[in-house]
Amino acid sequence: GEDVEQSLFLSVREGDSSVINCTYTDSSSTYLYWYKQEPGAGLQLLTYIFSNMDMKQDQRLTVLLNKKDKHLSLRIADTQTGDSAIYFCAVEGGTDKLIFGTGTRLQVFP
Amino acid sequence: DTEVTQTPKHLVMGMTNKKSLKCEQHMGHRAMYWYKQKAKKPPELMFVYSYEKLSINESVPSRFSPECPNSSLLNLHLHALQPEDSALYLCASSHNPPGGGNQPQHFGDGTRLSIL
Repeated sequence: GEDVEQSLFLSVREGDSSVINCTYTDSSSTYLYWYKQEPGAGLQLLTYIFSNMDMKQDQRLTVLLNKKDKHLSLRIADTQTGDSAIYFCAVEGGTDKLIFGTGTRLQVFP
Repeated sequence: DTEVTQTPKHLVMGMTNKKSLKCEQHMGHRAMYWYKQKAKKPPELMFVYSYEKLSINESVPSRFSPECPNSSLLNLHLHALQPEDSALYLCASSHNPPGGGNQPQHFGDGTRLSIL
């Protein structure tokens, strides 16, 4: 089955850029997603990218997709303390069910 | 603010109790989902309803019983749960059901369930 991996933890200084990486094994996903989960809350859809695109920019967020290497990344520019959360990438598995990555905990320090 | 509303936010129940989790969305979405999330783990899919019919059951134990009374509501009935069922239960909805094209799922804030 589909395997989606992320690094567990990322720590950045406020104002710097953060890059969260995601690798997956199945390339059939039409759309790939990024979700944010703050403590005690549900998942917030941040952005998504169509599989025939290489890049998508949405304000401080930039998504890069390398289909050849099956690699997805999320760049957050000018990272703020409010960006501290767990970030999940998600790809569409068989029958378009979402398969979530393992999650990356982003910690922003002053 | 989330457009998917879940109640209650917290629930503590004994193993012999019967309770229900509720989920509501008014975005006109045609698919609704239940997920279970353990601490520090990604959500795990439990059930999918497409056009008010159960389309996917991920081999969930029968002590969890979903119900979709109408296109806006989704319930999860709980009976005789075990301590290992303690988790965050998330509801989500999408415009299209799985297999229907781009279907970003929108999540509620979840119900944190504790089984004593």
